[in-house]
Amino acid sequence: NAGVTQTPKFQVLKTGQSMTLQCAQDMNHNSMYWYRQDPGMGLRLIYYSASEGTTDKGEVPNGYNVSRLNKREFSLRLESAAPSQTSVYFCASSELPQETQYFGPGTRLLVL
Amino acid sequence: QKEVEQNSGPLSVPEGAIASLNCTYSDRGSQSFFWYRQYSGKSPELIMFIYSNGDKEDGRFTAQLNKASQYVSLLIRDSQPSDSATYLCAVPPSGTYKYIFGTGTRLKVLA
Repeated sequence: NAGVTQTPKFQVLKTGQSMTLQCAQDMNHNSMYWYRQDPGMGLRLIYYSASEGTTDKGEVPNGYNVSRLNKREFSLRLESAAPSQTSVYFCASSELPQETQYFGPGTRLLVL
Repeated sequence: QKEVEQNSGPLSVPEGAIASLNCTYSDRGSQSFFWYRQYSGKSPELIMFIYSNGDKEDGRFTAQLNKASQYVSLLIRDSQPSDSATYLCAVPPSGTYKYIFGTGTRLKVLA
């Protein structure tokens, strides 16, 4: 039982490159979330999926897209990376919205 | 814009003392409140959640909720150096499917 897994753990991109961050959970949770964490800013919600088949914008969605591929997987795509997207990205899941969230280990992204 | 506020710290306490961490929130309709601990370079992990006014105890941790004053606090008794971390308060606003996180309070327990 791995919980929430994220790949990759670390990535360096050049400005304008694209990439997809992968997230999977094996807890049969309905809800999944993508956050970014920057020094002094706390965790900010990028996108979330309250249930399979739905996605909604969070606090900072610009420059990102998401796909809820199935109940287990929720991916985050950067179409054209910018230095302002340098951050640590966390995926989380919960059985239902507003319940306890369980976090993955994070992806450290550096955009040059 | 719903808000959750925490003092960023650092809060320094000696080993064995009680650490008191506070969080205020703006949405009077919020029903659930969460405390997460985050070690440097790691992901957040749940310590406690509380739904009802009053105190909830779990080992050395006590969460206190006062809905009238819109604050929630976390007490850590017999603080240990291993408790040194950033503590995040999270509050889902009413009618939403998401959390709002505070920026966190950094706790240092001095041996």
